[in-house]
Amino acid sequence: RKEVEQDPGPFNVPEGATVAFNCTYSNSASQSFFWYRQDCRKEPKLLMSVYSSGNEDGRFTAQLNRASQYISLLIRDSKLSDSATYLCAVIRSNDYKLSFGAGTTVTVRA
Amino acid sequence: DVKVTQSSRYLVKRTGEKVFLECVQDMDHENMFWYRQDPGLGLRLIYFSYDVKMKEKGDIPEGYSVSREKKERFSLILESASTNQTSMYLCASSLSQDHEAFFGQGTRLTVV
Repeated sequence: RKEVEQDPGPFNVPEGATVAFNCTYSNSASQSFFWYRQDCRKEPKLLMSVYSSGNEDGRFTAQLNRASQYISLLIRDSKLSDSATYLCAVIRSNDYKLSFGAGTTVTVRA
Repeated sequence: DVKVTQSSRYLVKRTGEKVFLECVQDMDHENMFWYRQDPGLGLRLIYFSYDVKMKEKGDIPEGYSVSREKKERFSLILESASTNQTSMYLCASSLSQDHEAFFGQGTRLTVV
């Protein structure tokens, strides 16, 4: 079983729509969680950290469910510029290994 | 701003060559990572390091080695390049064990 798994999508949504997707992790000792955004032919860039109580950054909301071992990302009022691949990342507490999911592709259409 | 710099954007090497990929960060980060990214497989961790001269194997270390002689520099070495090592290689660094990582711009390596 992969350490971090994501629904690859693609999610194809109209502008203004809400889109949400999850990422599951297998190691219960995982301690830190992040969402990254990667544009085509570019390096991943941090979108937001994910905190235990959940957190928002503008139109983006991240949630953590430790009991079920998943994190989620919700994008409200989608913009064309939100089209990208979203990667979840997890740090293990025992060896600090930083693992990524394979990414979820989101395409926002006009 | 954190800057992670990889020495080359594009490299073409021949099968059997020894290849060095260099990565330098300028923010005194403790941790450094090497990944490769292939379509449909995502980012796979090759090696990481949490201190000078320390290294840990990631998920796919076979065929690779690393060197971290100075805190700011983390080198990935392909001892004898093979065509299945053609990939995008991404270096990253993070301040400490529970901080986010920052990536370099990537090196697209082609082994012919």
